[in-house]
Amino acid sequence: AQTVTQSQPEMSVQEAETVTLSCTYDTSESDYYLFWYKQPPSRQMILVIRQEAYKQQNATENRFSVNFQKAAKSFSLKISDSQLGDAAMYFCAYRSRYSGNTPLVFGKGTRLSVIA
Amino acid sequence: DAGVIQSPRHEVTEMGQEVTLRCKPISGHDYLFWYRQTMMRGLELLIYFNNNVPIDDSGMPEDRFSAKMPNASFSTLKIQPSEPRDSAVYFCASRNKGLADTGELFFGEGSRLTVL
Repeated sequence: AQTVTQSQPEMSVQEAETVTLSCTYDTSESDYYLFWYKQPPSRQMILVIRQEAYKQQNATENRFSVNFQKAAKSFSLKISDSQLGDAAMYFCAYRSRYSGNTPLVFGKGTRLSVIA
Repeated sequence: DAGVIQSPRHEVTEMGQEVTLRCKPISGHDYLFWYRQTMMRGLELLIYFNNNVPIDDSGMPEDRFSAKMPNASFSTLKIQPSEPRDSAVYFCASRNKGLADTGELFFGEGSRLTVL
């Protein structure tokens, strides 16, 4: 079974600075999706960024980018120019592409605080 | 589209009472997932449906939990009898398989359950 590990329960960053959240995963598959979801205090899970394993290029969405290291099974999220609204829980998630039916497997999350 | 709609948003009940959580997936989505979120265990998959049929309910904690999806636009998660350890946030999520499948799950705002 696939597992996702987020080793940083909590992180903090100064406003306008850059922070990197870590995620590692364990799988024997070669084709899959990886995601970062944001959960603000409102509770709703919002997709931040996704990566397809067959794509070597790291995904980028505005201030959010990933460092995808397939061989190392690492998928970190970099937030540049941090803003107060970035404060939230961040979840890394994995999904196999093989069967097409598989649900997401989530890490335990990292709580990010942004200091003004 | 209104997104995934869950009700109630908050529920406080006493031990032994029946609890029913409701979910309306995004129209056209053919997969529906129920997750439970706690501080200790993070996000756990309870059960998921494809075209209204339960595919995997191995995450359902015990017989006190049951889920149904009588049609494509409605699902319930029932706990009977409820216990204090069931206190958690319960999320419903949906996804579209096929050409529109980006791997992403679309989440509702969650139902926070407190069992006294």
